[in-house]
Amino acid sequence: DQQVKQNSPSLSVQEGRISILNCDYTNSMFDYFLWYKKYPAEGPTFLISISSIKDKNEDGRFTVFLNKSAKHLSLHIVPSQPGDSAVYFCAATGSSGGGADGLTFGKGTHLIIQP
Amino acid sequence: DSGVTQTPKHLITATGQRVTLRCSPRSGDLSVYWYQQSLDQGLQFLIQYYNGEERAKGNILERFSAQQFPDLHSELNLSSLELGDSALYFCASSKGGSSYNEQFFGPGTRLTVL
Repeated sequence: DQQVKQNSPSLSVQEGRISILNCDYTNSMFDYFLWYKKYPAEGPTFLISISSIKDKNEDGRFTVFLNKSAKHLSLHIVPSQPGDSAVYFCAATGSSGGGADGLTFGKGTHLIIQP
Repeated sequence: DSGVTQTPKHLITATGQRVTLRCSPRSGDLSVYWYQQSLDQGLQFLIQYYNGEERAKGNILERFSAQQFPDLHSELNLSSLELGDSALYFCASSKGGSSYNEQFFGPGTRLTVL
């Protein structure tokens, strides 16, 4: 049973345009959400996070939106650059285990930025 | 470079064998997490150690075990290996014991079971 779902395995966007990556979750105990970026032959690197008490968090070109009622979050990248081509993982964690449950990841979306 | 090191980078072994994967966390980090990334399952949390003690367990099989040593490095032991254990194994570290802390991932160990 997948608790974090990324329904688009891949996404192709033109350079300079907005990239929107989506993520859905099912576990109501999740209260902290993260996006990680992964290049081939490297481990995932943290990109941006959002707590469930907020609905938006911005960091430079990256913005994460959280819709708790829909159990949905999205990552917006504006403008998209060639170096953004990577696999993006949505992850979540919650307080059910005192915040010590590890991260639950989606299967990832491969973002390809076209020149 | 995240500061987390994992050895070996690649490991090829046969079914039924046992292997040990090693992880050194970032300097000052007390928590070590292990994750498995397989083609069909994505990244799955296996187990967490904090300052030498087991802190949380995820989808870790009984054939797998881990420990964290006094110098805070960690080892993941995989025994009675099966073809389905072929995967990328990532280690991550964080300062605190909570998964709300930012986790820094190593480059992974690719395990191939033949």
